[in-house]
Amino acid sequence: AQTVTQSQPEMSVQEAETVTLSCTYDTSENNYYLFWYKQPPSRQMILVIRQEAYKQQNATENRFSVNFQKAAKSFSLKISDSQLGDTAMYFCAGDMNRDDKIIFGKGTRLHILP
Amino acid sequence: KAGVTQTPRYLIKTRGQQVTLSCSPISGHRSVSWYQQTPGQGLQFLFEYFSETQRNKGNFPGRFSGRQFSNSRSEMNVSTLELGDSALYLCASSLAAGGPNEQFFGPGTRLTVL
Repeated sequence: AQTVTQSQPEMSVQEAETVTLSCTYDTSENNYYLFWYKQPPSRQMILVIRQEAYKQQNATENRFSVNFQKAAKSFSLKISDSQLGDTAMYFCAGDMNRDDKIIFGKGTRLHILP
Repeated sequence: KAGVTQTPRYLIKTRGQQVTLSCSPISGHRSVSWYQQTPGQGLQFLFEYFSETQRNKGNFPGRFSGRQFSNSRSEMNVSTLELGDSALYLCASSLAAGGPNEQFFGPGTRLTVL
């Protein structure tokens, strides 16, 4: 069965620091899609970044980048120059099966401290 | 372009009652997915509809059901409510089903079962 695991329930970092959120997954498929979603306090969930498994190049969106290690089934999110507005719950998710069911991890609550 | 809207935003019910939640996707989006979010379990996939057909279903009892109308609006129904059904119910829409398609989330309906 496909699974997505986020091993860090909660993290805190100082503003302007770099932080890495971990995510591992399990699938027997060779082609799939991985996502990081952000859910700010009392606000709607939004897509941060996505990665297609057949692309070896790591996806980047401004201060957000991923370290995609396909063999290790690892998909971590790096936030550079963190800002107070990055405080949120971050969910790792994957569309890793033929029926396109998206599976979410349990989330990492990230606090950016002033 | 208006975002995904969900009604009602808050709901309080008692055990044994039934409830209907509504989701209006972004104009032009044909896929609507429903998730249950709880602190302990994270986001759990309920079901996905595409062009009025249920495309996928998660591991929830038959008390949870849904439907999609020709205008892509979707409803989910929970019958015989249990205390454990208290959760934030999120709806997400996308242009098409699965793959790299970004899901756009609504603000959620917070259901409390007493």
